[in-house]
Amino acid sequence: GAVVSQHPSWVICKSGTSVKIECRSLDFQATTMFWYRQFPKQSLMLMATSNEGSKATYEQGVEKDKFLINHASLTLSTLTVTSAHPEDSSFYICSASRGTDLQETQYFGPGTRLLVL
Amino acid sequence: AQSVAQPEDQVNVAEGNPLTVKCTYSVSGNPYLFWYVQYPNRGLQFLLKYITGDNLVKGSYGFEAEFNKSQTSFHLKKPSALVSDSALYFCAVSMDSSYKLIFGSGTRLLVRP
Repeated sequence: GAVVSQHPSWVICKSGTSVKIECRSLDFQATTMFWYRQFPKQSLMLMATSNEGSKATYEQGVEKDKFLINHASLTLSTLTVTSAHPEDSSFYICSASRGTDLQETQYFGPGTRLLVL
Repeated sequence: AQSVAQPEDQVNVAEGNPLTVKCTYSVSGNPYLFWYVQYPNRGLQFLLKYITGDNLVKGSYGFEAEFNKSQTSFHLKKPSALVSDSALYFCAVSMDSSYKLIFGSGTRLLVRP
């Protein structure tokens, strides 16, 4: 149980285009979903936290107009990188938490590698 | 400010030997501590967590970790390493007032045959 999927697993796009990444909880309802960014050989940095039906909470320094997050249902969250540039190239990972308990484990998706040319 | 330190970039161990991956933390409240493992080009897999109770926590794949409040540590251990344990290991902490996970820098474990 507690499987999280991401689609696509990798994407290459031209500079200036927008890219949408989907995160789904396959066998549980995710009250809260998280989006992380991981640079090569570095740790994960939290970008934003989203709760179903409400606006995402962005971490300091993350541009909310550039990284649009939609948590439309209890099993789906999307991250759209708008007007992507080469510096947005990274490994994006989502995670999902089952409940509202702060002790809940986050279950991570396999990640999406984005390359902006 | 909350922080997590993994002092070793890499740990090398022979197969069959015990392994330890170190983690120390700094938080102002009660910590919730987690270990995750990451295989190449994949997301993180949950290994174990400490919330409260017994200081020795047992997790997946034979891993365990010991919470030591006085030393603010949460080291990951396994009695007998396998080559397949070779991966990148992350320690993470959250506080009892927030969902936010703070990750350490990661430790690469290399188990040689």
